[in-house]
Amino acid sequence: DAGVIQSPRHEVTEMGQEVTLRCKPISGHDYLFWYRQTMMRGLELLIYFNNNVPIDDSGMPEDRFSAKMPNASFSTLKIQPSEPRDSAVYFCASGRGSFEAFFGQGTRLTVV
Amino acid sequence: AQSVTQLGSHVSVSEGALVLLRCNYSSSVPPYLFWYVQYPNQGLQLLLKYTSAATLVKGINDFEAEFKKSETSFHLTKPSAHMSDAAEYFCAVSEGAGTYKYIFGTGTRLKVLA
Repeated sequence: DAGVIQSPRHEVTEMGQEVTLRCKPISGHDYLFWYRQTMMRGLELLIYFNNNVPIDDSGMPEDRFSAKMPNASFSTLKIQPSEPRDSAVYFCASGRGSFEAFFGQGTRLTVV
Repeated sequence: AQSVTQLGSHVSVSEGALVLLRCNYSSSVPPYLFWYVQYPNQGLQLLLKYTSAATLVKGINDFEAEFKKSETSFHLTKPSAHMSDAAEYFCAVSEGAGTYKYIFGTGTRLKVLA
C-alpha cells in the first residue's frame, strides 16, 4: 500500500492567497483526519470525517478554514484567505477499525 | 477531559543505554493510549498502542510501554538505544475509549550519543 499521500509537500504562498492542501487516504479506510503541527501548539486535530461525512470540526480555527471529502479517496483542506499565522505542517491521517491512525508525510505551509 | 503530559521535551542517552520516555495521562473514561514516533520531515508512525488488553505492550523496534492505572502513566522504554532511534516521540490518549479523536502530548525529542 502506498500509504496516505499528501500534496504538495511544500507550499509557499503570499498572505491573502487561497491555499488548498490535498490528501489521498489509504484505500479501505473509513476515517480521515486533518492535523496541524506547530512549535507553539504541537499537534492539533482540525477536523475528522467518517465515511466522507464531517464528524467533528471543532478544531478548525476560523471560518477561513474549510475541509471537504467528496469521495472515499480524496480530501482537501482549504485556507482562504491565508495569513502568516497559518504557517505550519499540516498532516492528513486515515484509519479503520483498530483506532490506529496512519499519517501522511505532511505539507509544510509557509505564508509570507 | 483527557490530557497528556510528557515530561522532558529533550532526552539524551548514550548508544546502548536504556531509553525511558515519560507519559502521564488524565482521562475520565478507560483510555486508549498510543506512542508515535516522528523522524525529521516525516509523518507520525505508530510504535505501540494500549487498548485495555495486556498492560505491558510491545511495539516495533523493541520498544515497549506499560500501562499503570494507579500512576496514570504509560512510559515508553527500550533496553538498548540505537543511533537510529533519534527522533521525536509523541504520547497520545483517545478522547474516549475506542475513538480516533486523539489528544497528543507535546513530544519528547530523543538524542542518542555515540
